[in-house]
Amino acid sequence: RKEVEQDPGPFNVPEGATVAFNCTYSNSASQSFFWYRQDCRKEPKLLMSVYSSGNEDGRFTAQLNRASQYISLLIRDSKLSDSATYLCACYSGAGSYQLTFGKGTKLSVIP
Amino acid sequence: DAMVIQNPRYQVTQFGKPVTLSCSQTLNHNVMYWYQQKSSQAPKLLFHYYDKDFNNEADTPDNFQSRRPNTSFCFLDIRSPGLGDAAMYLCATSRTRRGYNEQFFGPGTRLTVL
Repeated sequence: RKEVEQDPGPFNVPEGATVAFNCTYSNSASQSFFWYRQDCRKEPKLLMSVYSSGNEDGRFTAQLNRASQYISLLIRDSKLSDSATYLCACYSGAGSYQLTFGKGTKLSVIP
Repeated sequence: DAMVIQNPRYQVTQFGKPVTLSCSQTLNHNVMYWYQQKSSQAPKLLFHYYDKDFNNEADTPDNFQSRRPNTSFCFLDIRSPGLGDAAMYLCATSRTRRGYNEQFFGPGTRLTVL
C-alpha cells in the first residue's frame, strides 16, 4: 500500500458546485498534513495546512480523520480558476523531514 | 517579496552531457530540498540540505549530486543525464526540518534530454 493515496480523477464539475477530495495515508504516526494546488506544468503551491480541528479558508475546508487515516478537501462554489491538480502531503512522523506527496487529484470546473 | 527562484526554467541537454540547475531563496530558510517530478507523478525527494548538512535519499541515483555554497543557493548537478532523467526539478525550502514546517516551492526547471 502506498504511503499517500489519492483518486487521480478527473473530477469534472460545473461552476458553482461543491466538490470533495479524500486522501488516505498509511502511516498512523503521520503528523502535519497539507494540501497543495498544482497547475499544469507549474510548481505545487501551498493551499492550506490541515489541523486536527479542521481548517477553513474561504471556500476551502480541510479536515483530518485520524481514526480512518484520511484527510479531505472541500471546495464550495467552484470557480473556473479552481481547475488544477490537488496534491495532499504529510510528514511521516514528528521527527520526519520527508514530506510525502500523493499523485494528486485533477479537478476540472466547467462552465 | 520573499521567494524561491530557480534557473533556468527550461533546460535542454544531450544524453550524457552534464547539467547544473540552480535554486536561490530569499526566505532565509535553513532547509533546501530537491524534488524530481515526472508527468502525473508525485514529487519525489532526491535530497535535502539542513544548513550545510547534506542528506541523500537512499534511492537517489549517484548520477545526482548537490551543492549548497551558502544559505541562499543550492545546485543540482546531473553528471550524465539519461532519457529517464527528463522531468521537472523542483527546489523547495522550509524554515526548519521539524515535521510541521510548510515547504515552499520554486517554479521548477523542466529538463529535456535529447
